[in-house]
Amino acid sequence: GAVVSQHPSWVICKSGTSVKIECRSLDFQATTMFWYRQFPKQSLMLMATSNEGSKATYEQGVEKDKFLINHASLTLSTLTVTSAHPEDSSFYICSATRPSGRVNTGELFFGEGSRLTVL
Amino acid sequence: DAKTTQPPSMDCAEGRAANLPCNHSTISGNEYVYWYRQIHSQGPQYIIHGLKNNETNEMASLIITEDRKSSTLILPHATLRDTAVYYCIVFLRSGSRLTFGEGTQLTVNP
Repeated sequence: GAVVSQHPSWVICKSGTSVKIECRSLDFQATTMFWYRQFPKQSLMLMATSNEGSKATYEQGVEKDKFLINHASLTLSTLTVTSAHPEDSSFYICSATRPSGRVNTGELFFGEGSRLTVL
Repeated sequence: DAKTTQPPSMDCAEGRAANLPCNHSTISGNEYVYWYRQIHSQGPQYIIHGLKNNETNEMASLIITEDRKSSTLILPHATLRDTAVYYCIVFLRSGSRLTFGEGTQLTVNP
């Protein structure tokens, strides 16, 4: 079946550094990818919707200059947390959709998640 | 986008059926209902989805009411490994926002 892979699965970095997380669709072309952030004991919070070849649409309250999203190809989207701080520590999850040819039946696939810890 | 409402938690005895309800009263005609579950520190796992008709696969059954304003996910014989947070999602057309509600924490007890 279709697989969405995230890398790295976990990362520890110093405050002030930038971290890049990759999201790849391994056997299908993903026209749309979603990025989520999840804090302990909370639900997934949508950060941005990314369509291939266009700028990402960010949710209200999410800083686009801090969370840079690039969806340059149909199989890869990246999330870069710039100048990371301890409050950015979280579980980041991506999701990719594969249109199945029928209206509103895009299949949804989620990555394994990437745990970021900023010291 | 349509919002979903789920009970925050449910308990189920091992071996018994787990019935997880979801309300999506503002769902529109072309929106599908998807169910996912998340085990701690992992990405969501697909369970099942449907539009109007009831659906069944090797994991679960999905019962959608005739007016499509609610649905029920049924795990026919719950096991301890089914303990997870279950999310009911109404999915808009590709390219639109996809948001999660709070989900239901299902705990399967021995």
